[in-house]
Amino acid sequence: AQTVTQSQPEMSVQEAETVTLSCTYDTSESDYYLFWYKQPPSRQMILVIRQEAYKQQNATENRFSVNFQKAAKSFSLKISDSQLGDAAMYFCAWGLTQGGSEKLVFGKGTKLTVNP
Amino acid sequence: EAGVTQFPSHSVIEKGQTVTLRCDPISGHDNLYWYRRVMGKEIKFLLHFVKESKQDESGMPNNRFLAERTGGTYSTLKVQPAELEDSGVYFCASSVDQVGETQYFGPGTRLLVL
Repeated sequence: AQTVTQSQPEMSVQEAETVTLSCTYDTSESDYYLFWYKQPPSRQMILVIRQEAYKQQNATENRFSVNFQKAAKSFSLKISDSQLGDAAMYFCAWGLTQGGSEKLVFGKGTKLTVNP
Repeated sequence: EAGVTQFPSHSVIEKGQTVTLRCDPISGHDNLYWYRRVMGKEIKFLLHFVKESKQDESGMPNNRFLAERTGGTYSTLKVQPAELEDSGVYFCASSVDQVGETQYFGPGTRLLVL
């Protein structure tokens, strides 16, 4: 089964500290994309970061970085210098390509609380 | 540039009634996707349009769900007749291209079937 697992339903972090959200996935594909999306309360889901599976270098976007371990099928998100505005639901997703169409397969999400 | 918009934001209907959800993608985005999140579960793919054509509708739960995208612009998702298990949040997303491209999501429509 092609699934995405986020084992932490909820996480909390102190402002300015670092937090890591875990994600594992299951696929037999060799080329694919991985994504982290965030959905702040009552707001739209937006892309945080994406990773191409064929790239060994971990993606980085400002305070957000990933630890991509292809062999272990692990794709964790690290948030450095956490800010109050980082509080949101974080969804890990994998891009499944079939028949020329790509659809996102999501995990259940991790609710991140940032404490002042 | 306007983002993906969805209407209505909330809908409460009774079992057996019909509801139509609308999604306006970002202008110029040929790809339009529908997803659904049932309470406590993962966000699940429903279907994918490329312009006005259905590229992949493998996620549609059953024939009570009908999606259209006339003229390749906005899309509608009709549920007829609605059942209790159809309750959830329906998301629409759009993208310029397909593989590996960022999908831009709308705010979702919260549907409650009583």
